[in-house]
Amino acid sequence: ETGVTQSPTHLIKTRGQQVTLRCSSQSGHNTVSWYQQALGQGPQFIFQYYREEENGRGNFPPRFSGLQFPNYSSELNVNALELDDSALYLCASSRSAGDNEQFFGPGTRLTVL
Amino acid sequence: ILNVEQSPQSLHVQEGDSTNFTCSFPSSNFYALHWYRWETAKSPEALFVMTLNGDEKKKGRISATLNTKEGYSYLYIKGSQPEDSATYLCALNTGFQKLVFGTGTRLLVSP
Repeated sequence: ETGVTQSPTHLIKTRGQQVTLRCSSQSGHNTVSWYQQALGQGPQFIFQYYREEENGRGNFPPRFSGLQFPNYSSELNVNALELDDSALYLCASSRSAGDNEQFFGPGTRLTVL
Repeated sequence: ILNVEQSPQSLHVQEGDSTNFTCSFPSSNFYALHWYRWETAKSPEALFVMTLNGDEKKKGRISATLNTKEGYSYLYIKGSQPEDSATYLCALNTGFQKLVFGTGTRLLVSP
C-alpha cells in the first residue's frame, strides 16, 4: 500500500448539495494533487496544493475548491453538485512539488443523484 | 490539449503468455512519463518513471521503454501471471506534478 488514505470510501449526494472529501498524505509529503476519474476516462487533474497553497489547477470550475492543512492532509470541496460530478476522486501525495513520484490513495466514489 | 492514448483498451491472455501495451502521445514537451498498475479497489501503484529518450526500465518480469522522438512508450510483461491482472495507466508529467493520463489498458490473465 502507498500510505495515502482517503475518506469516505463511497458517498451518495443529490444534485445541488455540497460535498467534502478527505485525504491523508504519506508521512513527510508536503504536496497533494487531486484527480477526477469519470467512467471510461483516465484520471483528470483538478488541482495541486503545496505547503497549504494552491499550486496549479486543471480545467475545473471554481465550485471545485481545496484546502491543505499544516499536517499536509487535504480536503476537496465541491459545491452545487451536478450529475456529471459522479466519479472516482483520487488524491496523490509527493515529497515536494518538484518530485516526480506521486503516491495515490484508493479513491472516493461519489455518486450524485 | 495533450492527448495520451493507450492501446489496446483491454487484453485477455493466458498464464505464461508475454504481452505488451502501447502509450502514445503527440509531443515531447513533458518532464516524465509514468506507468501505473491499478488493481480494482486498490490504489494505483507506481511502476516506472521515465524521463529520457531511449530510457529502459525493468522491475522483475515487467519492463518499459520510452521513445520521445516518435512519441510512444511500451510496457512489456514477460510470462504473465493471474496476479498481473489490473489496469495499466500511463501518464505524462507536464509540470508541477500535473499528470495527464491515458484511459488505460485493462489486462486479464487467466490461469
